[in-house]
Amino acid sequence: EVQLVQSGAEVKKPGESLKISCKGSGYSFTSYWIGWVRQMPGKGLEWMGIIYPGDSDTRYSPSFQGQVTISADKSISTAYLQWSSLKASDTAMYYCARPRGPFGGAFDIWGQGTMVTVSS
Amino acid sequence: DIQMTQSPSSVSASVGDRVTITCRASQGISSWLAWYQQKPGKAPKLLIYAASSLQSGVPSRFSGSGSGTDFTLTISSLQPEDFATYYCQQANSFPLTFGQGTRLEIK
Repeated sequence: EVQLVQSGAEVKKPGESLKISCKGSGYSFTSYWIGWVRQMPGKGLEWMGIIYPGDSDTRYSPSFQGQVTISADKSISTAYLQWSSLKASDTAMYYCARPRGPFGGAFDIWGQGTMVTVSS
Repeated sequence: DIQMTQSPSSVSASVGDRVTITCRASQGISSWLAWYQQKPGKAPKLLIYAASSLQSGVPSRFSGSGSGTDFTLTISSLQPEDFATYYCQQANSFPLTFGQGTRLEIK
């Protein structure tokens, strides 16, 4: 079964760093892009960026460029989303997702989501 | 960036109704358009890809159409489990972008 399993919920203080993960299984991890999507409480979906684990090619939405870092460790089939200094406004659910095909397209496989809460 | 605009933002309908949601891209995206359904507390679920292709396992009452800049998601006969929020997303070019969502509520 193809699946993405994300790390658990996090509660952090402003200014702290954080790295959340997304582990792929059941498919060739290096052959498909993996994207990250933010959903703030009660709001819509926002595409943050995407990485191709095969060569680490990474693209960011301008809204998130410089705010987060997307990476991947193909040896353990895991993608990451990290912050160096969290803000309260980073409080959101974060999803990883994989497109249907190796060249991109619609996301048919989604992780279960990681809730990040940033509060003093 | 390509902006995706959905309408309406919310709609009320009854079981058995036919519902149409539209999505407009700020520039042509050929058929690189997907539709998702999201229920509270759940990850989005892919319904339609390539503008009109039904994802495996999705009921046939869901259909998509359009190309270029104008797209439509139609639910032919609403079922109780269809009340949710629907999003379109363009997959033509980075950065990928979503519409703002359409909340489908029970009348």
